[in-house]
Amino acid sequence: DAGITQSPRHKVTETGTPVTLRCHQTENHRYMYWYRQDPGHGLRLIHYSYGVKDTDKGEVSDGYSVSRSKTEDFLLTLESATSSQTSVYFCAISDVGGNTEAFFGQGTRLTVV
Amino acid sequence: AQKVTQAQTEISVVEKEDVTLDCVYETRDTTYYLFWYKQPPSGELVFLIRRNSFDEQNEISGRYSWNFQKSTSSFNFTITASQVVDSAVYFCALSEAGGGAQKLVFGQGTRLTINP
Repeated sequence: DAGITQSPRHKVTETGTPVTLRCHQTENHRYMYWYRQDPGHGLRLIHYSYGVKDTDKGEVSDGYSVSRSKTEDFLLTLESATSSQTSVYFCAISDVGGNTEAFFGQGTRLTVV
Repeated sequence: AQKVTQAQTEISVVEKEDVTLDCVYETRDTTYYLFWYKQPPSGELVFLIRRNSFDEQNEISGRYSWNFQKSTSSFNFTITASQVVDSAVYFCALSEAGGGAQKLVFGQGTRLTINP
């Protein structure tokens, strides 16, 4: 299995509070991603990173920010959590080159009450 | 914009039946990748297959087979002689080709239940 660890695995937080999810990889892969999974939508890309300090927006980036200060860590921050951000969040990694696939972490279930 | 449609929200069959999961995609790219992922009840995402857009050869892996047809923009997945362990949510996904970031566009998923 690819070395991807997400923390925390479960979190309940109140509306309006900041939340940070962490993704840690031991594969030294260049690319890291954050997706959210919601019923009826599959997974949707929030943000991704193509290197240290290099990030870009995905399809559903509003309300989220990311940071990557080290190759192995990619943080997703909800500055002020809302109930619509209740979801399961997945981190993924992929390497350079076309002949590769993305590997996913175990997911973080976030509930905003 | 890229789009993936899995019209079958839920499928329920009896063990040992064959079942086909449909996937239709839209893209303006001439080269792209197509994927299938499995999400068992435990929640993780398991990679099953990647197909390049220029390779329309069908693929078989044990009880699994994939039928890629560019003419109909479809990438269907068939499980032969289904087993209870095949019960999961299956996602079809699409990404642009090249050696850069693999930004996946997922379908809505098909929940497959295999009954004993």
